[in-house]
Amino acid sequence: KAGVTQTPRYLIKTRGQQVTLSCSPISGHRSVSWYQQTPGQGLQFLFEYFSETQRNKGNFPGRFSGRQFSNSRSEMNVSTLELGDSALYLCASSPGDRSRLTEAFFGQGTRLTVV
Amino acid sequence: LAKTTQPISMDSYEGQEVNITCSHNNIATNDYITWYQQFPSQGPRFIIQGYKTKVTNEVASLFIPADRKSSTLSLPRVSLSDTAVYYCLVGGTGTASKLTFGTGTRLQVTL
Repeated sequence: KAGVTQTPRYLIKTRGQQVTLSCSPISGHRSVSWYQQTPGQGLQFLFEYFSETQRNKGNFPGRFSGRQFSNSRSEMNVSTLELGDSALYLCASSPGDRSRLTEAFFGQGTRLTVV
Repeated sequence: LAKTTQPISMDSYEGQEVNITCSHNNIATNDYITWYQQFPSQGPRFIIQGYKTKVTNEVASLFIPADRKSSTLSLPRVSLSDTAVYYCLVGGTGTASKLTFGTGTRLQVTL
């Protein structure tokens, strides 16, 4: 069973630009969540998409957005990049069934550097 | 979600058993306890999950006392490759999609 795939693995962008990150979840999983990890703030929840709809949202500005396609693949977009957006962006896949507890499967992440 | 408290770091020698304790005084009745492991520049990886007493799998054991206000992750005979950050999370059903990570415990294993 293929794991969670995130592309690209590394990215360098300039302040003010925008960036799109991609995540392909495990086959059959309908929930995709995004996290930002920085040395200062640790792992923080950005948002979750389930069946093409945003189901949960963390405390991040509107510059951070996402979407999910009918095949459950998800993209995350950050507009008007700031130096502080430099981080490891992680995608997590899970079945999404709220009636039971389950584990989340993480991708290897995309390392974004803003210069 | 219940707040968790873990030691910031721990050191161990290869071959020893390591026990990492997590405090979660405000755990709710329907909350489970889950541990994740993270290596540098990789996503967290699920290790073990439990509700009460003891749970064991091929990589670790999880001990949860009757009051459930704390839990202990036990790693038997650690190796250098177990050097990582270990996170304790507490939450109820449906929370796999919105995880709240604390600061974690940085475990350093040496020869």
